[in-house]
Amino acid sequence: DIVMTQSPDSLAVSLGERATINCKSSQSVLYSSNNKSYLAWYQQKPGQPPKLLIYWASTRESGVPDRFSGSGSGTDFTLTISSLQTEDVAVYYCQQYYSIETFGQGTKVEIK
Amino acid sequence: QVQLVQSGVEVKKPGASVKVSCKASGYTFTNYAIHWVRQAPGQGLEWMGSISANNGYTNFAQNLQGRVTMTTDTSTSTAYMDLRSLTSNDTAVYYCARGHPTVTTLGIFAYWGQGTLVTVSS
Repeated sequence: DIVMTQSPDSLAVSLGERATINCKSSQSVLYSSNNKSYLAWYQQKPGQPPKLLIYWASTRESGVPDRFSGSGSGTDFTLTISSLQTEDVAVYYCQQYYSIETFGQGTKVEIK
Repeated sequence: QVQLVQSGVEVKKPGASVKVSCKASGYTFTNYAIHWVRQAPGQGLEWMGSISANNGYTNFAQNLQGRVTMTTDTSTSTAYMDLRSLTSNDTAVYYCARGHPTVTTLGIFAYWGQGTLVTVSS
């Protein structure tokens, strides 16, 4: 199975500042035939199911604020929240769907 | 609108089995697979497996092979996950999830059920 490793495990960011979460896969999730990375990002708030934010590493899901962006290719990916809002406090997970689906361990984002 | 509505809280003893249901609405049930993902208390997300609602083809996480069964009832648009030989390690919230409308065959989980808490305790 592909192992997904996120860093950091948690971070505290001031309101309005940038939050950056990294995700590394143990093998490439880039499919050469379509040049797409099979990587998604989810947000989970307490007591709620996860919510899809980003897929294909950088495609924002409909309705997701544009302060959320995804980047990267192959094995190294980043989720950026450009200006942290109170409602962004949550745990964020990366997930690969290149093969048997696997998730990162999660990154908890808090307000400093 | 797409909805996945799961069955309620379960409390089971070690060694027992549990069956969780996930009733889908708002789309053509047989056009998508249903995936199951679980989350132990305070822990991350673990993909358990999936079932094609079209042909019943299943795919399971290796660590659950032999203990999990997934089925669907197309007449009621309901998916079921059956987990046997429960231990305390199976205590978790169990979610069903459906793929993205633009990429129906891949595990991009655009829709989720509300979750079902399964507690295994003697």
